[in-house]
Amino acid sequence: SQQGEEDPQALSIQEGENATMNCSYKTSINNLQWYRQNSGRGLVHLILIRSNEREKHSGRLRVTLDTSKKSSSLLITASRAADTASYFCATDEALYNQGGKLIFGQGTELSVKP
Amino acid sequence: DTGVSQNPRHKITKRGQNVTFRCDPISEHNRLYWYRQTLGQGPEFLTYFQNEAQLEKSRLLSDRFSAERPKGSFSTLEIQRTEQGDSAMYLCASSLGTGGPYYEQYFGPGTRLTVT
Repeated sequence: SQQGEEDPQALSIQEGENATMNCSYKTSINNLQWYRQNSGRGLVHLILIRSNEREKHSGRLRVTLDTSKKSSSLLITASRAADTASYFCATDEALYNQGGKLIFGQGTELSVKP
Repeated sequence: DTGVSQNPRHKITKRGQNVTFRCDPISEHNRLYWYRQTLGQGPEFLTYFQNEAQLEKSRLLSDRFSAERPKGSFSTLEIQRTEQGDSAMYLCASSLGTGGPYYEQYFGPGTRLTVT
């Protein structure tokens, strides 16, 4: 079963614009991770945010986490055509205090037009 | 290349045949995970190992599926008597995992299985 729901399912923007994707989940978590996947390829790890963190940055990426609302957002600033991909959030449930399996959302398909 | 590798990258098989996939994790990673992904969906967890011990198996993993990680290095995933519903991308990931639940999982390129 999938824990996360991502919103929107698809997003189309122009190069240079910002893209925001949201993720909601159901249970307590140890951490939340965001991944990118280009069509038919493996997943590339983008960023991990711990349950006791509220915001994290990596280059043009900004991730926020609100554990009270069980939600996270990924912001990509100054988007480029190369950012076109599917983006997934994945949660590591706190039931397993040593970590383990990730539960993925269905993903947001981002299209950045040049 | 020191990333996660998977072989083969593509496998086409006839229904009823057995298939085996291999995953080589990042060398210092003691955890290894298998996921399955179908078109338009996020990956679904199948099983994971810490060193050579298989710590969890999903209910998705029927008796036809078996995974091993001898000596805590590479892992194999075998599907017996394949069915058309087994057609999917099989993804392997690895991570560190001795100090708590705060390690990134790094994924391989996947093995795409097509059952005809």
